[in-house]
Amino acid sequence: AQTVTQSQPEMSVQEAETVTLSCTYDTSESDYYLFWYKQPPSRQMILVIRQEAYKQQNATENRFSVNFQKAAKSFSLKISDSQLGDAAMYFCAFSPLAGEKLTFGTGTRLTIIP
Amino acid sequence: ETGVTQSPTHLIKTRGQQVTLRCSSQSGHNTVSWYQQALGQGPQFIFQYYREEENGRGNFPPRFSGLQFPNYSSELNVNALELDDSALYLCASSRPDGVEQFFGPGTRLTVL
Repeated sequence: AQTVTQSQPEMSVQEAETVTLSCTYDTSESDYYLFWYKQPPSRQMILVIRQEAYKQQNATENRFSVNFQKAAKSFSLKISDSQLGDAAMYFCAFSPLAGEKLTFGTGTRLTIIP
Repeated sequence: ETGVTQSPTHLIKTRGQQVTLRCSSQSGHNTVSWYQQALGQGPQFIFQYYREEENGRGNFPPRFSGLQFPNYSSELNVNALELDDSALYLCASSRPDGVEQFFGPGTRLTVL
């Protein structure tokens, strides 16, 4: 069974600064998908970024980028130029196949300090 | 394009009762997954429906059951409600060849 671990229950960052959220996972699969989802107080889960395990290049989406270390089973999220709207719960998630069930971590609450 | 919708938004039930939650998938999506998110936790996979058939189930008892309809909308039914069933229930849909699951806003269920 796959497991996803987020060891930082809470993080805070000054507006406009950079913050990195950590995630590790465990799986015996060689191909899989990793995701970072954002859940603001409105509760709706929004996809921030995804990474296919077979791709060596780290994914980037505007201010969001990941550091994917397959051998270490590590998948961290870097948020650059943090904005007040980035405040939310961030969940790391794993899926063994496209569209298949997601296994989530316990989340990291990100606070942006004005 | 209409996103994933869920109803109702909030629901209060008494222990032992039964509840039905509803989800309308995004246009063009034929797969629906249900997740339970307890307070302060990450979502837990309940089950997935693909073309009206159950396509995978998480570690939930049989009193959690579901349906998917020909228009790909879905229902989650929970019988004999327990206090621990209090949670946010999330529905997500995906395209036939899609990697990403698109989530609805959730239904907050409170069991008293």
